[in-house]
Amino acid sequence: GAVVSQHPSRVICKSGTSVKIECRSLDFQATTMFWYRQFPKQSLMLMATSNEGSKATYEQGVEKDKFLINHASLTLSTLTVTSAHPEDSSFYICSASSTSGGAATDTQYFGPGTRLTVL
Amino acid sequence: DQQVKQNSPSLSVQEGRISILNCDYTNSMFDYFLWYKKYPAEGPTFLISISSIKDKNEDGRFTVFLNKSAKHLSLHIVPSQPGDSAVYFCAASVTGNQFYFGTGTSLTVIP
Repeated sequence: GAVVSQHPSRVICKSGTSVKIECRSLDFQATTMFWYRQFPKQSLMLMATSNEGSKATYEQGVEKDKFLINHASLTLSTLTVTSAHPEDSSFYICSASSTSGGAATDTQYFGPGTRLTVL
Repeated sequence: DQQVKQNSPSLSVQEGRISILNCDYTNSMFDYFLWYKKYPAEGPTFLISISSIKDKNEDGRFTVFLNKSAKHLSLHIVPSQPGDSAVYFCAASVTGNQFYFGTGTSLTVIP
């Protein structure tokens, strides 16, 4: 079945540093990838929609200059948390839909997530 | 504005019995629905889906029922096993667009 990977799975960084998280679709092409953040005991919150070859679309309240998204190819999207602070500590998850004939299909595949801890 | 709701935050079921997890939504345009299962410290994993052209989809012990008129879907697990203990999220979307998630129901299957 389709697989989405994320790297790294866990990262600990100092406050003020930047962290890059990669999301890859391993065996299918994804024109659209989504980035979510999960707070403890809460549902996944959509942060942004990442479109290959164009700028990401951010949800209201998400700082686009802080959470930089680059969807450079049909199999890779990156999320960079710039100048991370302790409140950015969270579980970040990406998802992707496979494409068929250029259109997104129904099924959404989730990555395993990246746990970010900012000290 | 919570477009997808799971009103039961937790559920306990005896092993071997049926687990029924419920989900309600408000947007009648939603045409694709998913259930995810999540263990602690892991990302959600896809469980089962249903499109709005169906009212039932079955995969092994898992069956999802969709009632479009009531804007309600449910996940049935039969028989329930201790390994099914996890948080279950339902999600809905208009095909090709973002998913809206419920807040999850924590299922505990008691051996």
